Amino acid sequence: SYELTQPPSVSVSPGQTARITCSGDALPKQYAYWYQQKPGQAPVLVIYKDSERPSGIPERFSGSSSGTTVTLTISGVQAEDEADYYCQSADSSGTVFGGGTKLTVL
Amino acid sequence: QVQLQESGPGLVKPSQTLSLTCTVSGGSISSGDYYWSWIRQPPGKGLEWIGYIYYSGSTYYNPSLKSRVTISVDTSKNQFSLKLSSVTAADTAVYYCARGVREGGMDVWGQGTTVTVSS
Repeated sequence: SYELTQPPSVSVSPGQTARITCSGDALPKQYAYWYQQKPGQAPVLVIYKDSERPSGIPERFSGSSSGTTVTLTISGVQAEDEADYYCQSADSSGTVFGGGTKLTVL
Repeated sequence: QVQLQESGPGLVKPSQTLSLTCTVSGGSISSGDYYWSWIRQPPGKGLEWIGYIYYSGSTYYNPSLKSRVTISVDTSKNQFSLKLSSVTAADTAVYYCARGVREGGMDVWGQGTTVTVSS
């Protein structure tokens, strides 16, 4: 079955740039989406179609794609950005989520 | 502003069928622009896609759950539902419903409902 691979954890200091990667064989052909989930809350869409940002999402969130890897970049990380982040994409079987990355703001 | 709300029993016995409903408010479930998803999250673990349905009734299921899952839509009530049969403790999770947009991701989520499978 299709899989998306994310690093389990990423740590950054406030004000620095965090980069969270997501790898999958179908990513060159399928869009990726990114969700932020804080403890006890439902996920929130922060990036769609690899690099588009929904209204209301701060400009410090951006996405990019290169080959089989997509990257969520958070510039000028703030304490409130500490959360789990999930990538999501699709293949012929349907939708799949990455395993999630815990972003820790030191 | 569209809102989604999950409802259903919080406790299900092993081997029984889990049934949940998602009520859509502030918008029509019959819009062809959207699809309607179920996602779950076991305690301390990541998100798992269960399946989705279009208002027309077309469904797509996670292959690993397909034999046990049924998703249906009731346009008259602006609701869609999940049935998961033959549940075990491994099905204990927070279950979310969400609205999906073609190539737009899942942009609206319910708050989630916890379902525990236990005798």
